[in-house]
Amino acid sequence: AQSVSQHNHHVILSEAASLELGCNYSYGGTVNLFWYVQYPGQHLQLLLKYFSGDPLVKGIKGFEAEFIKSKFSFNLRKPSVQWSDTAEYFCAVNARNTDKLIFGTGTRLQVFP
Amino acid sequence: GAGVSQSPSNKVTEKGKDVELRCDPISGHTALYWYRQSLGQGLEFLIYFQGNSAPDKSGLPSDRFSAERTGGSVSTLTIQRTQQEDSAVYLCASSIVAARGGKQETQYFGPGTRLLVL
Repeated sequence: AQSVSQHNHHVILSEAASLELGCNYSYGGTVNLFWYVQYPGQHLQLLLKYFSGDPLVKGIKGFEAEFIKSKFSFNLRKPSVQWSDTAEYFCAVNARNTDKLIFGTGTRLQVFP
Repeated sequence: GAGVSQSPSNKVTEKGKDVELRCDPISGHTALYWYRQSLGQGLEFLIYFQGNSAPDKSGLPSDRFSAERTGGSVSTLTIQRTQQEDSAVYLCASSIVAARGGKQETQYFGPGTRLLVL
């Protein structure tokens, strides 16, 4: 069965610090990969997604993620975080032959000014 | 509509009672998903509808849970004989289609219904 692991449950950073949130999945076939974000009091929204092609994906608000197939990873990065990036971040995986998204447990990011 | 809407936004019920949660997807979206978000558990897939096809119920945790989608639009998730462990945020999402050409379409989420079973 597919599963998604987000090992960082809670990350606390100061503004301007660099961010990397880990995401690993277990599935041997072709996958689509996503990062969703939930800002306080708001809906879950798509941050970025990978289907194929360049493994380095650019998303909104300066976020990027890199798909490393050999490591089954899709880590999220941002070179300099802002207070407004405080949110919960969810990695999700979809196997190409299914219609379901499998989500990780989420990482709560707190950024202090 | 402008986005996925869900009602009620909050529901408090007593153990053993039945509850109904409603989801209005984005107009024109044929795929509709229900998830459950429990504290520290991430998002757990419950059920998915795609057009007129039979729903994928593989994520429903017990036979107390059921869902239907009328006219390919509004969906209702019903929990019978609620238990305290059913307390969670229930999220609905919709997408244009479930998948096209091997690509999972972006899912748009509603605000959720926060259910508390006392």
